[in-house]
Amino acid sequence: DIQMTQSPSSLSASVGDRVTITCRASQIISTNLNWYQQKPGKAPKFLIYTASSLQSGVPSRFSGSGSGTDFTLTISSLQPEDFATYYCQQSFSTPWTFGQGTRVEIK
Amino acid sequence: EVQLLESGGGLVQPGGSLRLSCAASGFTFSNYAMTWVRQAPGKGLKWVSTISGNGGGTYYADSVKGRFTISRDNSQNTVYLQMNNLRAEDTAVYYCAKDRRSSSSGVGYGNFDYWGQGTLVTVSS
Repeated sequence: DIQMTQSPSSLSASVGDRVTITCRASQIISTNLNWYQQKPGKAPKFLIYTASSLQSGVPSRFSGSGSGTDFTLTISSLQPEDFATYYCQQSFSTPWTFGQGTRVEIK
Repeated sequence: EVQLLESGGGLVQPGGSLRLSCAASGFTFSNYAMTWVRQAPGKGLKWVSTISGNGGGTYYADSVKGRFTISRDNSQNTVYLQMNNLRAEDTAVYYCAKDRRSSSSGVGYGNFDYWGQGTLVTVSS
């Protein structure tokens, strides 16, 4: 199975900050990497697919990059509604696997 | 508008069975692989099972293989997860999710653009 490791596990940031979350795959997955946002008690929301493609309706302050094994999710200017947990997920091969999550908290 | 509505969760004793349903609307259901993902309390997301759009292919995580069965009824736009021999570690919120790209056969593309609200399964005596 492909292991996905996110860092950090949590971070504290202020509104307006630039935030970067890293995701590393245990083997090369090309650009088969997706990002989701989840708020407490809610279903995950699809943000980014194939490493850098923004899902329709997602604000442009979200961006993704990377290929191979190393990927990043960047929020260019953190907004109050962005405080949530973020998960990466590989879609290179089954079993589809997720990172452990990065919790973005208010500083 | 795409909607996914899960049902069927509840409290069940270890060794018991439960069937989850996910009713879909707003898209051509048979064109998309459908997936179940679960989340144990306070934990992360874990893929459980996927079924191809035509129902001919089913795929399972090792942790549920032989105990869970995924199926679909394309005439009713519904996907099911039959869960047998439940264990305490199966306790989780179960989400159904739609593949982003259409694919009538195979495991799909493995990225999920719409999710249901989730249904809680609690396995406890």
